This record gives sequence, C-alpha cells and structure tokens, in this order.
Amino acid sequence: KNEVEQSPQNLTAQEGEFITINCSYSVGISALHWLQQHPGGGIVSLFMLSSGKKKHGRLIATINIQEKHSSLHITASHPRDSAVYICAVSRGRGATNKLIFGTGTLLAVQP
Amino acid sequence: GAGVSQTPSNKVTEKGKYVELRCDPISGHTALYWYRQSLGQGPEFLIYFQGTGAADDSGLPNDRFFAVRPEGSVSTLKIQRTERGDSAVYLCASSWGSGANVLTFGAGSRLTVL
Repeated sequence: KNEVEQSPQNLTAQEGEFITINCSYSVGISALHWLQQHPGGGIVSLFMLSSGKKKHGRLIATINIQEKHSSLHITASHPRDSAVYICAVSRGRGATNKLIFGTGTLLAVQP
Repeated sequence: GAGVSQTPSNKVTEKGKYVELRCDPISGHTALYWYRQSLGQGPEFLIYFQGTGAADDSGLPNDRFFAVRPEGSVSTLKIQRTERGDSAVYLCASSWGSGANVLTFGAGSRLTVL
C-alpha cells in the first residue's frame, strides 16, 4: 500500500463544475503539498499546508491532520485547469522537502 | 535566476555511456532536491543538498548515481554506465532553508537511454 493515496485517479468534468480531489496518507507529516503538472510540462507548487485551509483564486486546499486526509477543491472549473494534480507529503517533524508523492489525479475539464 | 533551470532538457544516450544533468536553482535557495519521474509514475526522491553538502542521498538507486553541489548553488547529477532503466525525467527543485518549505521545480531533464 502506498503511503500517499489519491482519488480519483482520473476525473472528467464539465466546465463550471466544482471539483474535489482527495489525498490520504498513512505516515506522520510536517507538511502536505499540492502540485500541478500539465502534460509535458513542469511541476508547479499550488499549496503547502500543515493545518486548516488555504485559498488561492479558485483553488482551495484543506487538511485534517487527525484523519490524515487532505482535499483540493477547484471552483468554477475551466479547461485550462486540465492537468495532473499531485499530493505529496514531507514526512516527520520538521522534515525537509524529501517528499513522498501520490500517483496523481488526471483531471480533464471539457468545455 | 528567476526560476529553477535544468539542462539539457532532453538527452538521448546509448547504454553504457556517462551522463551529466545540471540544475541551477533559484538564487539564495539553500536547499536543492533531485527527483526522478518514470513514465506514468509520481516523482521519487534521489538526493537532497543543504548548501554544499548532501544531507540525504538515501534515494540514489545505486553507486552509478552521484551528485555534487560544490559551491552551494548549481548542482550536477552524474550517471555512470547508463542503463535503459535509467530512462526517466530527472527533476530538480529548490527551496529556502532546511525545513518543509514551498518547492520550486525545474522543467526537468528527460533522459532516454537506448
């Protein structure tokens, strides 16, 4: 079993829909990262969080440390949001960015 | 620089050859990470530098892989006697300080070993 699990693996949505991507982890962490990777493109950091909730534009990330679960929400989705979304964790207390990655969620937003 | 720069962007080599991949991190970022991403997989940790020293090289798969960061800025990942299984995208990322901080990734170097 992977230490970081994401669901769903694939997601197709219509433009304008509200999207949720889930991440569960089984290890102690100091921080959780949400990353975005466009096909053939580099990885962009969206959020790093260790508690609560963060918002940036149409993106919202939440984390529940007790339940070892995080969600990434996209409001009013747009075709340009189509990408792979990756959850990754920094393991342990005060740990570095030696990240453990999930396998990613491939999102396709259709016009 | 403005971002993390990796060169070359693509490298095709023959089995058994030696390869060097370069990473130029964001100016002032003391932490530098190398990850490897095979097709259809998430990135896997290779090595982490804090300044000039390799703070954690536990992800290097074997002794054919080596990395240096002699002046605490640019890093070079070196692969000897390349094998077909080394084919992957090699990602470099950098961040401030030694803790868990926001990472900035380079675009990656795609290595293909024929």
